[in-house]
Amino acid sequence: DTGVSQDPRHKITKRGQNVTFRCDPISEHNRLYWYRQTLGQGPEFLTYFQNEAQLEKSRLLSDRFSAERPKGSFSTLEIQRTEQGDSAMYLCASSPKTGFYEQYFGPGTRLTVT
Amino acid sequence: DAKTTQPPSMDCAEGRAANLPCNHSTISGNEYVYWYRQIHSQGPQYIIHGLKNNETNEMASLIITEDRKSSTLILPHATLRDTAVYYCIVDTTGTASKLTFGTGTRLQVTL
Repeated sequence: DTGVSQDPRHKITKRGQNVTFRCDPISEHNRLYWYRQTLGQGPEFLTYFQNEAQLEKSRLLSDRFSAERPKGSFSTLEIQRTEQGDSAMYLCASSPKTGFYEQYFGPGTRLTVT
Repeated sequence: DAKTTQPPSMDCAEGRAANLPCNHSTISGNEYVYWYRQIHSQGPQYIIHGLKNNETNEMASLIITEDRKSSTLILPHATLRDTAVYYCIVDTTGTASKLTFGTGTRLQVTL
């Protein structure tokens, strides 16, 4: 078991560009979560999936953000028309169907918008 | 949502017990208390959770007061590797589907 992986680990982009991040959860974990973390703050919930269904989205997830988990395995988070305020660490986590109380976090993708 | 209050920082000598307090005075009867920690430049790591009874695992112990308005995370023998930000979280969803992290307590373990 290799844990939750995220790709890329770092992304620098210019304002206005689109970016996409990928998260591969632990195998057979049916829940997948996205969080965003800015400097000095705790992670903020963005959205979560159970299998391929997106069950909850935070109001932080504006229209420029979209997340998918097409086959209930990996997930992508896309940010369109990036803004400097989108600069943050984007964290992905997964949890199993049973024992779901423990979320396993990946290392995160650090996004810098210039 | 049940809000948590934690001291912003604490120090602990290596080998001593680290006792991290958390106030959650507005917690409801069926809401669990979770503790996570985040070591610098890593994703958060689950430590322990509980509802009413005290809990212990290989990492830590969780002491919840009888009125459930506060809890204490205990690291019995802190090491330098325990230096991290510790988050106390109340799960208001009942399914641990949405963790609301605060700013946590930065624990510095020193020699």
